[in-house]
Amino acid sequence: QLQLQESGPGLVKPSETLSLTCTVSGGSISSSSYYWGWIRQPPGKGLEWIGSIYYSGSTYYNPSLKSRVTISVDTSKNQFSLKLSSVTAADTAVYYCARSESGYCTGGVCYPLYYFDYWGQGTLVTVSS
Amino acid sequence: QSALTQPASVSGSPGQSITISCTGTSSDVGSYNLVSWYQQHPGKAPKLMIYEVSKRPSGVSNRFSGSKSGNTASLTISGLQAEDEADYYCCSYAGSSTFNVVFGGGTKLTVL
Repeated sequence: QLQLQESGPGLVKPSETLSLTCTVSGGSISSSSYYWGWIRQPPGKGLEWIGSIYYSGSTYYNPSLKSRVTISVDTSKNQFSLKLSSVTAADTAVYYCARSESGYCTGGVCYPLYYFDYWGQGTLVTVSS
Repeated sequence: QSALTQPASVSGSPGQSITISCTGTSSDVGSYNLVSWYQQHPGKAPKLMIYEVSKRPSGVSNRFSGSKSGNTASLTISGLQAEDEADYYCCSYAGSSTFNVVFGGGTKLTVL
């Protein structure tokens, strides 16, 4: 059974960098069949896609956050990570990691299917001094 | 890209059917059959209920169905049950990149 688990500081100061890690168990992050992503949810609000990464390291970011986001993958640890710089109170949210399946493959690259079938339990990150 | 538009709330009685709409644009919902729906109970992670407009993952009740017309996708829940009370979010591929998705603002379903 695939499981995803977020970890990282629950409190970050304004202007600093938020760093989270998602550990994947019960499956390999190196499979060409999946993409791995981050989604966040401010308290009482809706979901917002932050970005996704392929095992090869190719990254895709929400245009509204692109200048502040870095997602990376560590296949040796079966983990992927999120860094969000210059945080403000507006970045306070529950952060989820999630998996997307891929479908059509060509030239060694498999294209995503744009839905999230496995999610972590989420971790609340509060931005406050 | 802007969030997809969903009604803030819908309600229904046990046994009834309800439909939640999700309106996008010709750049997202209208151009791709890549709409998914998620159910979220309070304090829990979202759960995939529908993908690619109308497909159900294994284990999801056939009381849940999806459809699309033009720029609007819909989630229908038939035979409402108390356990269906939750928030529901739609999501669509938004084009312009290999991976780019946008969520709806969410709809609170109340089972009366």
